[in-house]
Amino acid sequence: DIQMTQSPSSLSASLGDRVTITCRASQSIAHYLSWYQQRPGKAPKLLIYSASTLESGVPSRFSASGSGTDFTLTISSLQPEDFATFYCQQTYSPLQTFGQGTNLEIK
Amino acid sequence: DVQLLDSGGGLVQPGGSLRLSCAVSGITFRNYAMSWVRQAPGKGLEWVSGISGSGDNTYYADSVKGRFIISRDNSRNTVYLQMNSLRAEDTAVYYCAKAYGGFGVLGRDYGVDVWGQGTTVTVSS
Repeated sequence: DIQMTQSPSSLSASLGDRVTITCRASQSIAHYLSWYQQRPGKAPKLLIYSASTLESGVPSRFSASGSGTDFTLTISSLQPEDFATFYCQQTYSPLQTFGQGTNLEIK
Repeated sequence: DVQLLDSGGGLVQPGGSLRLSCAVSGITFRNYAMSWVRQAPGKGLEWVSGISGSGDNTYYADSVKGRFIISRDNSRNTVYLQMNSLRAEDTAVYYCAKAYGGFGVLGRDYGVDVWGQGTTVTVSS
């Protein structure tokens, strides 16, 4: 199975900061990488698919890049509603695996 | 609007069984692969199982292989997860998840664009 490793596992930042989360796959997954945001008690929300395509309705301060094994999610200027947990997911394989998550907290 | 309505969770003893259901509306159901994703208390997301649009292909995480069975009824627009030989570590919120894009397959796809509200499974004596 393909393993996904996210870093950091937690991150403290201030409003207006630029933050980057990374995700590494244990083998090449081409561009089949999605990013999700999850707020406490809620279902995840799709932010990015196909490694870099912004889902409709997602603010443009979110961006992502990468291919093969290394991927990044960047939030350009943190807003109050951005503090949540973020997950990457590989969809290259039918057995689809998530990263362990990055908890983004307010500093 | 696309809606996924999860149901069937509850309290079950170790070794017991439970069947989850997910009723889907707002799409041509047979065109979409579906998955189940779970989240143990205080933990991250874990993909559990997936099924193609036709139902011909099913997939399982190693942690549930041989114990869980995913199926779908395209005439009822519903996907199921039969969970047998349940263990304490299966305790989680279980989400039904719709694959993005009407390709009907899992793998080389674009993730999950619609989620159910989640149904809670607790395995405890």
